[in-house]
Amino acid sequence: EDQVTQSPEALRLQEGESSSLNCSYTVSGLRGLFWYRQDPGKGPEFLFTLYSAGEEKEKERLKATLTKKESFLHITAPKPEDSATYLCAVQASGGSYIPTFGRGTSLIVHP
Amino acid sequence: ETGVTQTPRHLVMGMTNKKSLKCEQHLGHNAMYWYKQSAKKPLELMFVYNFKEQTENNSVPSRFSPECPNSSHLFLHLHTLQPEDSALYLCASNRGTEGNTIYFGEGSWLTVV
Repeated sequence: EDQVTQSPEALRLQEGESSSLNCSYTVSGLRGLFWYRQDPGKGPEFLFTLYSAGEEKEKERLKATLTKKESFLHITAPKPEDSATYLCAVQASGGSYIPTFGRGTSLIVHP
Repeated sequence: ETGVTQTPRHLVMGMTNKKSLKCEQHLGHNAMYWYKQSAKKPLELMFVYNFKEQTENNSVPSRFSPECPNSSHLFLHLHTLQPEDSALYLCASNRGTEGNTIYFGEGSWLTVV
């Protein structure tokens, strides 16, 4: 069974204090790993898709990296507007196109 | 604008009412999903349709009835709901193939009174 574990569950940072969120996964064969940002009361907003170990993608203050067992979402010099829940999901090989989601990391950035 | 539109955004209904949630995607995708998200809980997959055929029903109570008339539209018909069904209902879509990103709508906030 595919599993996705995100840590920490919650993270509080001061503005400008860089950190990383972790997404550990167990799948029979990775076809894609996805990161989303979700603001309260809204649908998840797509951030990145990573397909193979060693791949990296960046968007503004966010950088996602992938190894064979985990992915990190690095947040550099965060601002209060980066406060949100960050969700990770994986898609496994074997014909299933349905992603398995983690429980998310709630990030609060204080000014 | 994600290309997945949900209506209504907010709905309040009594336990004896019948209502429907609507989802429309403009991305040319083949697979459409309904998820439930309760306060401080993870996403719960409810139903999946691929090419209009239901491929997943995650043991959802029969008071939730999905309908997928074509690959662009998805409905969730609601009847005799319970207060614990109050949640954010999210529609999503993707191409229905491996490695394909799933995109979400803004969600429909449902309150059952």
